[in-house]
Amino acid sequence: DVQMTQSLSYLAASPGESVSISCKASKSISNYLAWYQQKPGEAYKLLIYSGSTLQSGTPSRFSGSGSGTDFTLTIRSLEPEDFGLYYCQQYYEKPLTFGSGTKLEIK
Amino acid sequence: QVQLKESGPGLVQPSETLSLTCTVSGFSLTSYSVSWVRQPSGKGPEWMGRMWYDGDTAYNSALKSRLSISRDTSKNQVFLKMNSLQTDDTGTYYCTREATVASYYFDYWGQGVMVTVSS
Repeated sequence: DVQMTQSLSYLAASPGESVSISCKASKSISNYLAWYQQKPGEAYKLLIYSGSTLQSGTPSRFSGSGSGTDFTLTIRSLEPEDFGLYYCQQYYEKPLTFGSGTKLEIK
Repeated sequence: QVQLKESGPGLVQPSETLSLTCTVSGFSLTSYSVSWVRQPSGKGPEWMGRMWYDGDTAYNSALKSRLSISRDTSKNQVFLKMNSLQTDDTGTYYCTREATVASYYFDYWGQGVMVTVSS
């Protein structure tokens, strides 16, 4: 199975700052990577797919980059509503696998 | 409006069978695939298996021997059955819709149903 590693489990930043969340695959997955946001009491939200394509409705302050094994989700100019958990997911091969998550806390 | 809603028992005895239902609205099960994903508390999600739009199924090999996914298109429902439950099967179970045919990422998720395996 492809292991997805999110090395930072916790991140705190202030509104207006920019943050980057990393995700590393145990083998090359091309750009078959999605990012999700999970907030308490809410359904998971798809943010980005194909490594860098914004899902409809995702604010433009979110961006995704990377290919192969290393990927980054960047949030520019943080808004208070951006707190939550962020997960990456590879869909290069089955079984589909997810990272363990990065919790973003707003200072 | 696309919606998915999971339902099922919150408590299951060890060695028993878990049965969950995902009721969908706003889209057709014959046009979109639906996957089950579970998440132990404090851990990342785990893809369990998929009901393809054409009625075929695919399973995570780690669960394949215990897992069965089926559907009733007339009721807009997808079902999960998993036997021989153990305590490490405790977690939140989600049904999800794949964004497009064979996209393998999920544009809509249900709220999830918490399942505890305990005697």
